[in-house]
Amino acid sequence: GENVEQHPSTLSVQEGDSAVIKCTYSDSASNYFPWYKQELGKRPQLIIDIRSNVGEKKDQRIAVTLNKTAKHFSLHITETQPEDSAVYFCAATGAAGNKLTFGGGTRVLVKP
Amino acid sequence: GAVVSQHPSRVICKSGTSVKIECRSLDFQATTMFWYRQFPKQSLMLMATSNEGSKATYEQGVEKDKFLINHASLTLSTLTVTSAHPEDSSFYICSGGQGSPNEQFFGPGTRLTVL
Repeated sequence: GENVEQHPSTLSVQEGDSAVIKCTYSDSASNYFPWYKQELGKRPQLIIDIRSNVGEKKDQRIAVTLNKTAKHFSLHITETQPEDSAVYFCAATGAAGNKLTFGGGTRVLVKP
Repeated sequence: GAVVSQHPSRVICKSGTSVKIECRSLDFQATTMFWYRQFPKQSLMLMATSNEGSKATYEQGVEKDKFLINHASLTLSTLTVTSAHPEDSSFYICSGGQGSPNEQFFGPGTRLTVL
């Protein structure tokens, strides 16, 4: 089945700096790559997603890039703010098509 | 986006009892529902996938007789943790999908504590 690795597991940045989280996946048939933000005790919230026919997608301060050849995708957050502090998860669909496999998560702390 | 609710949000039970968690899609028909378990400071682990009107497909290592899933309608799926034990204490989250193109909508989660 699909395997998703996520790095780093923790990330501390100064407010205003950029944060980058990287994920790799194993199943070359995967075609959907969402990113979720989860605050303590809350549900995961979709913040951005990308499909395999696109290499990059941007939404205000958040961008995601996808390299299908290398089977990795990354989340970029620019001009970080304290409210960006949370746990971020990447995910990918495997050959099954609608089943998401999650990465291990990255705990992001934005210091004021 | 689409809204998924879960009930209860929090439950504490004694060891050996059974607990039922409901997951409802409020403004869309969820052809597929997913149940996840999340231990503290860990990722979401898929337990099972259920399609309306058919038996759930369980992930490897998940006991189907212990975690009973029913998806009787396009808006309701239930997870029953039978004979719960302290090691079943976790955050259980459901999500609903409408098939392609893959997006899942998550419920708020249920924190189960087994004493």
